[in-house]
Amino acid sequence: DADVTQTPRNRITKTGKRIMLECSQTKGHDRMYWYRQDPGLGLRLIYYSFDVKDINKGEISDGYSVSRQAQAKFSLSLESAIPNQTALYFCATEDRGNGYTFGSGTRLTVV
Amino acid sequence: EDQVTQSPEALRLQEGESSSLNCSYTVSGLRGLFWYRQDPGKGPEFLFTLYSAGEEKEKERLKATLTKKESFLHITAPKPEDSATYLCAVQARGAQKLVFGQGTRLTINP
Repeated sequence: DADVTQTPRNRITKTGKRIMLECSQTKGHDRMYWYRQDPGLGLRLIYYSFDVKDINKGEISDGYSVSRQAQAKFSLSLESAIPNQTALYFCATEDRGNGYTFGSGTRLTVV
Repeated sequence: EDQVTQSPEALRLQEGESSSLNCSYTVSGLRGLFWYRQDPGKGPEFLFTLYSAGEEKEKERLKATLTKKESFLHITAPKPEDSATYLCAVQARGAQKLVFGQGTRLTINP
């Protein structure tokens, strides 16, 4: 099993729909992150969490929400999806000072 | 504002042709500079962390170096399997997040 697992891998949804992207990890790390990747814009931070009771906004949190259900699980929700949220979404965990471990990503298309 | 600029955007080399990728950064006190490799359809894979100017790290055909303004990823005698996008990121002291560059897409032709 992968250290960081994201589901679904691909998703097409309609404008206005609510959608949840899920992330689970087996590395035992406290710190978890959600990033989106767009061509030409690189990776941008949406939300991050340092433990189950800690949730923080990143640079592009508008239109998104998160839930840290357990140390191992961190979910990202789009309450009402819009086309400019079409992107590749990555979940990551951090081994302090030793870099991030990323999941394989979720490719989301909003039509 | 912390910024990372990578160049070139894309680089095409012949197998065995050595070269370097550049990562220029501005940050309010560097905690660490990170290099990642990303293959198509996959998440970035951690390569190196550099903490201070003058530091170097090596892994197989890759060597990363750091100055106060930039980092280089040197690729020696590359093979086709080194083809990927290479991402650079910085973390400022006291900051909680990494700031990523746009990446360099490297293609090694056999």
